[in-house]
Amino acid sequence: SQKIEQNSEALNIQEGKTATLTCNYTNYSPAYLQWYRQDPGRGPVFLLLIRENEKEKRKERLKVTFDTTLKQSLFHITASQPADSATYLCALDSQTGANNLFFGTGTRLTVIP
Amino acid sequence: DSGVTQTPKHLITATGQRVTLRCSPRSGDLSVYWYQQSLDQGLQFLIQYYNGEERAKGNILERFSAQQFPDLHSELNLSSLELGDSALYFCASSPQGSLGSDTQYFGPGTRLTVL
Repeated sequence: SQKIEQNSEALNIQEGKTATLTCNYTNYSPAYLQWYRQDPGRGPVFLLLIRENEKEKRKERLKVTFDTTLKQSLFHITASQPADSATYLCALDSQTGANNLFFGTGTRLTVIP
Repeated sequence: DSGVTQTPKHLITATGQRVTLRCSPRSGDLSVYWYQQSLDQGLQFLIQYYNGEERAKGNILERFSAQQFPDLHSELNLSSLELGDSALYFCASSPQGSLGSDTQYFGPGTRLTVL
């Protein structure tokens, strides 16, 4: 079965720096990969989607890359702010013809002022 | 606010009991998904409905069942509850449900505590 790993449970960085989060997967070839943000006690919120034929996607201070050879996605937050502190989840499509997602366990990001 | 509503927000019950969680999707969305999030398992997909029909099934226990009604709201029924069922249960909705690129909008969740 597919396995999705996010490189670290927690990441602390200084305000203004770039945060880089990693999502690795095995036994799988997703057509789409999504990133979500989750704040404590709240539901995940969609951030970005990248397709298998796209190398990079940007949205404001966010950037996602997708390397299907390495089976890896990198999620970058540039000029990080304390308000960016949250858990970030990567999610892969199920490739079943439905739209259900398989989620990684998440990386908890803390931006230190 | 995602537009997805879930009730109740909190639920405390005893082992062996049965509970029903309710979800109203965003206006116009045809697909509803149920996920379970526990500390040790992360966010796990349970089941998906599309326009009233079951579309996909994940690791949903036989003690759990769900349905989507003609008005598109959905209910997740959990029976013979065990301590290990304590978790956050999220409902999500999306416009369609047959494309891997369909964005999912999550509700605020129901926190279930089984004592």
